[in-house]
Order: sequence, then structure tokens, then C-alpha cells
Amino acid sequence: DTAVSQTPKYLVTQMGNDKSIKCEQNLGHDTMYWYKQDSKKFLKIMFSYNNKELIINETVPNRFSPKSPDKAHLNLHINSLELGDSAVYFCASSQQDRRPGYTFGSGTRLTVV
Amino acid sequence: KNQVEQSPQSLIILEGKNCTLQCNYTVSPFSNLRWYKQDTGRGPVSLTIMTFSENTKSNGRYTATLDADTKQSSLHITASQLSDSASYICVQQAGTALIFGKGTTLSVSS
Repeated sequence: DTAVSQTPKYLVTQMGNDKSIKCEQNLGHDTMYWYKQDSKKFLKIMFSYNNKELIINETVPNRFSPKSPDKAHLNLHINSLELGDSAVYFCASSQQDRRPGYTFGSGTRLTVV
Repeated sequence: KNQVEQSPQSLIILEGKNCTLQCNYTVSPFSNLRWYKQDTGRGPVSLTIMTFSENTKSNGRYTATLDADTKQSSLHITASQLSDSASYICVQQAGTALIFGKGTTLSVSS
């Protein structure tokens, strides 16, 4: 059973398009996250969300928006895609009051052409 | 300057050898220090988590150390195997935020 699953695994799209990446966790965690890993392998948080609060990294363009239909899902919507959005996007989840904490999905490689 | 600095950036060793990866951190407040292993094309997987009061923790052939005074951590890999080839990422948790280092890419060759 996959704990944190993301779809699609690969996404190639043209500049200007709008796309979504889906994430689901079956761990019963209360918080979910989106991270971006750039070409230099550096992971940077974009959003964290639990059923009370959305925390947005101020460096994330407002073309990116998380949508959570329920506690087990946090989807990432990206509008007007740009070349610089090409990266690997990781979803993660955690239970805030419990260790070891974070579980990551296997990533979605987005390529904007 | 990144708040979590790792060295070396990359490392090549022969199978069976030991190696040590370094991490310096400056983030405050300190919650815990984590080491993750990331295989190519996969998400990071947790190896160890250490709180302020722990100065060493092992997970099989992986041993992490933490020196809270010097704000340094190391990850020692014993008797390396080909499957250890991966990126090893040092992560500091400050409050609810995870601050990632850029990772050390380890290649183990036969």
C-alpha cells in the first residue's frame, strides 16, 4: 500500500497551460505539504495545510494554489505555466504531534516546454 | 547563505568502504535534525531524527551524530553497499518548518 501517492509521475506541458497534480495519503495524517525540488536537488516548501490552516511560502507565485477536498488529499493547481516551473514536485504528509513525522510521495516531474 | 550546509557536494567510494557526510546548520529555534536518503526518481525517506538532547542515533549501517554546541551533524555509513548510492539530505526542523540542505550525492562503485 502506497502511503503518499502522487499522480501523474511525469507531466510535460506547454507554456501558458494550466495543470494539476494530485496527492493522496492513507496514513491518517493531519497535515499535508507540497515541496518543489529544483535542478540543483534543493527541496523547498511551497505550502503546508491542515484542516485549520494554510501556510504559504511567500516566495511561491500566486499561480500556484493548493486545493484540499478532504483530509486525505491535497492537490496542486498551477496556472499559466512558465519554463521556470519545470522541477520535481513532492507531496508529503505528517501527524503534527507524532514522530517520525514526514512521509514523502515519490514525486511528479513537471517539464514545461 | 543556506541555513543548512552539507559537505561534500558529491562523493564516490568503493563498495565495502565507510564514509562520513557532514552537515552544519544555523536555523533557530531548533526542534530536531533529520537525515533523509533520496534514491533517484523517488521521494526522500527518513533515516534518523535527533532531538537536542540526543547526540548519536543509529539505523542499521547508518549512524548520525549531533553536536548542538557547534551546530554540526554527521552521517556515517559503514560497509557501504551499491544500494547506498543516493542523495543524503540533512534537514533541520525549526518549529513546524523543515529546512533542507542541498544534499550529498553518494556513488558506491564495485
